[in-house]
Amino acid sequence: DIQMTQSPSTLSASVGDGVSITCRASQSISRWLAWYQQKPGKAPKLLIYKASSLESGVSSRFSGSGSGTEFTLTISSLQPDDFATYYCQQYNSFPLTFGGGTKVEIK
Amino acid sequence: EAQLLESGGGLVQPGGSLRLSCVASGFTFSNYAMSWVRQTPGKGLEWVSQITNGGSGTQYADSVKGRFTISRDNSKGTLYLQMSSLRAEDTAVYYCAKYLAGSCGGGYCYSDYWGQGTLVTVSS
Repeated sequence: DIQMTQSPSTLSASVGDGVSITCRASQSISRWLAWYQQKPGKAPKLLIYKASSLESGVSSRFSGSGSGTEFTLTISSLQPDDFATYYCQQYNSFPLTFGGGTKVEIK
Repeated sequence: EAQLLESGGGLVQPGGSLRLSCVASGFTFSNYAMSWVRQTPGKGLEWVSQITNGGSGTQYADSVKGRFTISRDNSKGTLYLQMSSLRAEDTAVYYCAKYLAGSCGGGYCYSDYWGQGTLVTVSS
């Protein structure tokens, strides 16, 4: 199975800050990576697919980059609605696997 | 807009069975592969199973293989997960999720819509 490791596990930031979250795969997954945002008690919401493609309707504050084994989700100028937990997911091979999550909290 | 509504969760004893349902609306259900993903506080998100749009192709995580069965009724727009021989470690919120195509291949194995989840608790 491909292991997905996210860092940091928690990130404290202020409104207006730019932040980055890293996701590393235990083997190459090309660009088959998605990013989701989840708020407490809610389902995950798709933000990014194919490593850097922005899902329709998602704010351009969100961007993704990377390929192979290292990927980054960047949020420019954090807004109050962005404080949530973020997960990466590889879909290069089965079983599909998720990272452990990064909680972005208010400093 | 697509909507997914799960039901069927609840408290069940170890070794018991439960069937989850997920009713889809707002899109042509029969065109898309579907999946079940579960979430626990300790293990985060875990892909459980998926099924092609026609129902002929299924896949399972090793942790549930032989105990869970995914199926769908396209005439009813409903996805199912039959769970048997339940264990404490199956306790989780179970989400159904829609893929981007009729099968999970060609780079479409991610989900653009998720249900709100249904809680399954396995405990005596």
